[in-house]
Amino acid sequence: AQTVTQSQPEMSVQEAETVTLSCTYDTSESDYYLFWYKQPPSRQMILVIRQEAYKQQNATENRFSVNFQKAAKSFSLKISDSQLGDAAMYFCAYNTDKLIFGTGTRLQVFP
Amino acid sequence: NAGVMQNPRHLVRRRGQEARLRCSPMKGHSHVYWYRQLPEEGLKFMVYLQKENIIDESGMPKERFSAEFPKEGPSILRIQQVVRGDSAAYFCASSPLRGKGANVLTFGAGSRLTVL
Repeated sequence: AQTVTQSQPEMSVQEAETVTLSCTYDTSESDYYLFWYKQPPSRQMILVIRQEAYKQQNATENRFSVNFQKAAKSFSLKISDSQLGDAAMYFCAYNTDKLIFGTGTRLQVFP
Repeated sequence: NAGVMQNPRHLVRRRGQEARLRCSPMKGHSHVYWYRQLPEEGLKFMVYLQKENIIDESGMPKERFSAEFPKEGPSILRIQQVVRGDSAAYFCASSPLRGKGANVLTFGAGSRLTVL
């Protein structure tokens, strides 16, 4: 069975600094997708970034980038130039035909 | 495009009552997923439906829970004889196609069920 592990229940970062959120997963499949979702206090799930497993190039979306290590089954999220609005729960997710989520990392951003 | 609409946003039920949660997918989306989020936890997959069909219900509790997605109208998640442990946020997501993650799921804002 596929599993997703986020080992950091909470992280904090100072505004304008960089923070990295960790995620590992377990699968026997070779073709899959990985996602990071953000859940602010409003509870709305917002897609931050996605990575296709067959692509070696790490995905980037503005201040958000990933470090995808397929052999290590690792998929970390780097947030550069952190902003107060980045404070939220962040969920890593694995997808074949349904999303499997990790338990989340609560990110606090301090001014 | 109104996005994925879920209602009610908040629902309070007493133990033993029934809860019905509704989800209208995005226009043009025929695939619906239901997830449950317990307090301080991640989202857990419950069921995946296509119009009039249940495709994958591997995450649904065996008793009291059912889901449908009729030809016309919203998808319904029904919980019979609710218990306190059913208190959670229930999220619906939709996508236009089934597939290996190329189809990003669009989530609704969730329905929070509180069982007294």
